[in-house]
Amino acid sequence: SSELTQGPAVSVALGQTVTITCQGNSLRNYYPSWYRQRPGQAPILVFSGKDNRPSEIPDRLSGSRSGNTASLTITGAQAEDEAVYYCASRDDSGSRLFGGGTELTVL
Amino acid sequence: QVQLVESGGGVVQPGASLRLACAASGFSISNYEIHWVRQAPGKGLEWVSLSWYDGSAEYYADSVKGRFSISRDNGKNTMYLQMNSLRAEDTALYYCAREVGDDSRGFYYEHFDHWGQGTPVTVSS
Repeated sequence: SSELTQGPAVSVALGQTVTITCQGNSLRNYYPSWYRQRPGQAPILVFSGKDNRPSEIPDRLSGSRSGNTASLTITGAQAEDEAVYYCASRDDSGSRLFGGGTELTVL
Repeated sequence: QVQLVESGGGVVQPGASLRLACAASGFSISNYEIHWVRQAPGKGLEWVSLSWYDGSAEYYADSVKGRFSISRDNGKNTMYLQMNSLRAEDTALYYCAREVGDDSRGFYYEHFDHWGQGTPVTVSS
């Protein structure tokens, strides 16, 4: 069955750049979406498609896709970016998939 | 404004059944695909089920196929998730989420644009 693979954790110094990756065969055919989840809160969308970012999400978050890998890049990370980030996509059966989540720590 | 409110969670024994509800406001569920997503304690998000906007198709994760059933009552603007033969591994916070798609720029993408706050389900003897 299809799956999306994310690294479990990544850290970044305040103000530096960090990239979170997501790998899976479904990404060759479907654009991913990315969600941020802070402790005790529901997930929220931060990026989707080629360049779709909700208005309330700062433009220091951006996404890209190449082959079977999607990336979420945070340029100039801030303390409020600390959270768990999930990628998601559909697969060829019509189901949806989530990655395992990447915990971002801002040092 | 758009709002999704889940209810129906609780503590049940293995083998029992529960029906979760997702009450929508600010939009009509008959125009959108609505999903159920769950999150076990301390774990990541797991997609559970999807109902097409017109109810003509349903999809389920392999982990719940044959035990869970999704349905919608457009008159009440509410989605349901009937969960039968519950197992300890079904213990989780269950979210409903609205999905939107866009193909206006020559490529298609979709995402969950609104989530509820979740309803907790605990399966334990």
